[in-house]
Amino acid sequence: EIVLTQVPATLSLSPGERATLSCRASQSVNNHLAWYQQRPGQAPRLLIYDASNRATGIPARFSGSGSGTDFTLTISSLEPEDSAVYSCQQRSNWPPTFGGGTKVEIK
Amino acid sequence: QLQLQESGPGLVKPSETLSLTCTVSGGSISSRTDYWGWIRQPPGKGLEWLGSINYSGSTSYNPSLKSRLTISVDTSKNHFFLRLNSVTAADTAVYYCAREIRYFDWFTTWGQGTLVTVSS
Repeated sequence: EIVLTQVPATLSLSPGERATLSCRASQSVNNHLAWYQQRPGQAPRLLIYDASNRATGIPARFSGSGSGTDFTLTISSLEPEDSAVYSCQQRSNWPPTFGGGTKVEIK
Repeated sequence: QLQLQESGPGLVKPSETLSLTCTVSGGSISSRTDYWGWIRQPPGKGLEWLGSINYSGSTSYNPSLKSRLTISVDTSKNHFFLRLNSVTAADTAVYYCAREIRYFDWFTTWGQGTLVTVSS
């Protein structure tokens, strides 16, 4: 199965700063990669699918890029409500797999 | 608005069976294309897909758990279920149910999750 590695494990930034999260796949997943947001006590939310498409209702400050094995989630200007764990997922090869997550802390 | 809600015991003894229900509201579980999945997250670890089912009972399981896992559906009640037998402490996790708009697709809607602890 495909292993997804996310770095860094934790990111601590101030409101208004730019966050850059990385997800690397053990083999090519083409563009079949998604990003999810997990706020404490809330249902996970699909943010980005097919590497760069924002899901319905997701603010424009969230963007995704990459293809093959290297992907990036960028939050252009952090808001306090962006404090969460962000996980990537691939659906290129069955079974679907997830990365270990990056925790974004707002100072 | 589609919503999913997990329910079931929060504590299960080792070697016993973990049973959870996912209640779907605001939409029908009988959609011809939707699949309904279970995903879990052990404390401090990443998410792990367990398996999925559609309205007709067609299932797909993660090979790592296939021998212990059963997913079923009750379309009359808009519920689907997870049963994991012979549990150990390694099965302690937050369990989520989620919707896929088609087989092997993104998980577009999730429940809030329920913590299940395996302990005597």
